[in-house]
Amino acid sequence: IAGITQAPTSQILAAGRRMTLRCTQDMRHNAMYWYRQDLGLGLRLIHYSNTAGTTGKGEVPDGYSVSRANTDDFPLTLASAVPSQTSVYFCASSEAASGGATDTQYFGPGTRLTVL
Amino acid sequence: GQNIDQPTEMTATEGAIVQINCTYQTSGFNGLFWYQQHAGEAPTFLSYNVLDGLEEKGRFSSFLSRSKGYSYLLLKELQMKDSASYLCAVLDSNYQLIWGAGTKLIIKP
Repeated sequence: IAGITQAPTSQILAAGRRMTLRCTQDMRHNAMYWYRQDLGLGLRLIHYSNTAGTTGKGEVPDGYSVSRANTDDFPLTLASAVPSQTSVYFCASSEAASGGATDTQYFGPGTRLTVL
Repeated sequence: GQNIDQPTEMTATEGAIVQINCTYQTSGFNGLFWYQQHAGEAPTFLSYNVLDGLEEKGRFSSFLSRSKGYSYLLLKELQMKDSASYLCAVLDSNYQLIWGAGTKLIIKP
C-alpha cells in the first residue's frame, strides 16, 4: 500500500541517549517534513527537505538533525535526548514545495517518544 | 509573528450542522488547508482553498475570505465518526505550513 511508514511506533528512551526515528515514503514525493505534536499546541515543524540532497530548519530544530540521501528516506536523529523532547513525531511528504495543491502534505502514522 | 486561531473545542449533535472557524495572520498566503485528526492517529487531508469562496466536497465544505484572513469548515449531517480534531493550516510565503492548535469536535447522539 502506497504511503508513508514510520518506525518505531513508540519508544521509551533514557535521557542522554541517541535515537533515530525512521521515515520512508513510496509516493516519489519531492518534499518531506518532520513535525512534533504536543498537547494543546499545533504541529510544529522541526526540519524539512524540499528535494533529495537538501534540508532546512523549521520552527523548532534545536536538538534534532536530519539527512536526505535519497527521495524515499528522511530519518530524524536526536543526538542526546532530553525529557522536553517527549512528544508524538509525525513525518509527512508532499509532491512539491512550490505553492498550490501540490503542497498537500500526507502524514505517516507517527512515533510516540517518551524521554525519561 | 504568524498566528492561526481556532476554537479549542466544540460540541454538536448527530445529524446537525457545525461550522468551525479559523482566522489567520501569516507572512504571505499560498493556500489554506483543513485536516481531520482522530485521537491517536495522523492528520488526514480534507480540503484546500486558495481562491475566495466555497469549496464543497460531499458532507464537508470549506470557505475562504483572503481579505478577512478567515476560513471555515462546514460539516453537514454529522455522524459519530466525525468526532475528531480539525486542523487549519496556512501555506506561507516560504511554502511552509503554519498550523493552528486544532478544534476538538465532540458529537453527541
